Amino acid sequence: EADIYQTPRYLVIGTGKKITLECSQTMGHDKMYWYQQDPGMELHLIHYSYGVNSTEKGDLSSESTVSRIRTEHFPLTLESARPSHTSQYLCASGGIAGREYQETQYFGPGTRLLVL
Amino acid sequence: KNQVEQSPQSLIILEGKNCTLQCNYTVSPFSNLRWYKQDTGRGPVSLTIMTFSENTKSNGRYTATLDADTKQSSLHITASQLSDSASYICVVSDRGSTLGRLYFGRGTQLTVWP
Repeated sequence: EADIYQTPRYLVIGTGKKITLECSQTMGHDKMYWYQQDPGMELHLIHYSYGVNSTEKGDLSSESTVSRIRTEHFPLTLESARPSHTSQYLCASGGIAGREYQETQYFGPGTRLLVL
Repeated sequence: KNQVEQSPQSLIILEGKNCTLQCNYTVSPFSNLRWYKQDTGRGPVSLTIMTFSENTKSNGRYTATLDADTKQSSLHITASQLSDSASYICVVSDRGSTLGRLYFGRGTQLTVWP
C-alpha cells in the first residue's frame, strides 16, 4: 500500500466557495501530480511538480492552482468553485531523478468533489 | 496525435474464467507501458510496467504482453476472482521530456460474477 494520502475523500460545496484539496506522501518522492478523472473517462493531468518550489500546468486546462512548499505536501486550490469543477481529483507521486524508465506513480485514494 | 485505445470498454466474466484485455497505442517516441488496476472510488494501483525491450511481464495471475512493433499490449487475467472486478487502465509514457509524459486509456471495466 502506497503512503500517499488525500483529504477530504468526499466534498460537497456550493458555487463560489474556495476549497483546498490536500495531498501528502511520506515516500520522499520529488515528483507529484494532480489528475482529474470523470466517470468512465481517462485521467487528465492538470498540475505537476518536480520538487519544492516547482509547479507546472498539465495537459488539461484547469482553474485550480497548486503549491509545493514542502516535498511531502502538494495541495490543490480552487479559488471559486463552479459546478463544472465536479469531478474526481487524484493525487500521485513517484519518480527517481534519472530513472524515469522505472518510474511508478503511486496514487492516492482520490477526492470526489461535487459543486452545487 | 498520441493516443491510447482500450478494448473492450466493459467485460463480464464468471469467477474462475480467464480473460484478456487489449491496449493499442500511437504514442511516439515510446518509453514504457504500464497497466493499472483501479477499484471503484480508489486511486489506480500499478500492476506491471514494461519497456520497449520487454515483451512479457507477470504479476501473480496478471500477465502483460507488449508488441512494440505493432504498438499493442494485452493484459491476461488467469482464474479470475471476485476481487478482480475493477477498471484496468493502460498507460503509455513517451520519451519526449524528462517528465516522461503519460497517456492514459479510458480503461476496461471488468466485472467478475460468482
